[in-house]
Amino acid sequence: EVQLVESGGGLVQPGGSLRLSCAASGFTLFRYNMNWVRQAPGKGLEWVSYIGSSNIYYADSVKGRFTISRDNAKNSLFLQMNSLRAEDTAVYYCARDYPSGWFSFDYWGQGTLVTVSS
Amino acid sequence: QSVLTQPPSASGPPGQRVTISCSGSSSNIGSNSVNWYQQLPGTGPKLLIYSNDQRPSGVPDRFSGSKSGTSASLAISGLQSDDEADYYCAAWDDSLNGVVFGGGTMLTVL
Repeated sequence: EVQLVESGGGLVQPGGSLRLSCAASGFTLFRYNMNWVRQAPGKGLEWVSYIGSSNIYYADSVKGRFTISRDNAKNSLFLQMNSLRAEDTAVYYCARDYPSGWFSFDYWGQGTLVTVSS
Repeated sequence: QSVLTQPPSASGPPGQRVTISCSGSSSNIGSNSVNWYQQLPGTGPKLLIYSNDQRPSGVPDRFSGSKSGTSASLAISGLQSDDEADYYCAAWDDSLNGVVFGGGTMLTVL
């Protein structure tokens, strides 16, 4: 069974850093493109970042501050978040790219909440 | 403001058919396929439609998608109370080099 489990969220002060993890099971992470998508409280979905076999993309709102990476040995995806702002407060989901689609996400984790506040 | 435009709400009685629209531009819907997601209250999103009109395994055929030009639609027939959820459209945007989502449509089954 495919599962994605995020961790690493919490309360952080503006300007601080946080590293999110997404542990994958039931499939081999490096064979798939992966994404981070976030959802601010009471708001809609916002795509954050993508990592493929040879490309990495970021939303303009996080470019230069966030870094996506993966550890194939640990079958895990990461999101290093620096210079955090209040507007980064959200539930962060990792999501797997559906091989038959085009940037369509077939499996999602349960999400981890990041709160940026002093 | 979201790059893709959806109505904030939609509704219909049980058994009826409802349609949710998604409007974009030439750099996203006009040149790339559209995906639709369903998010039930308190849960993560679920892929409902991919590549404009394709259903992943397990999604009932009551859900259908279509695309024309720079707009797309999600149709739900035979409305059920379990369909009450937020629905999002999404597509890759060639100008932004990223995925863009609609603002979401909250569906109420009356």
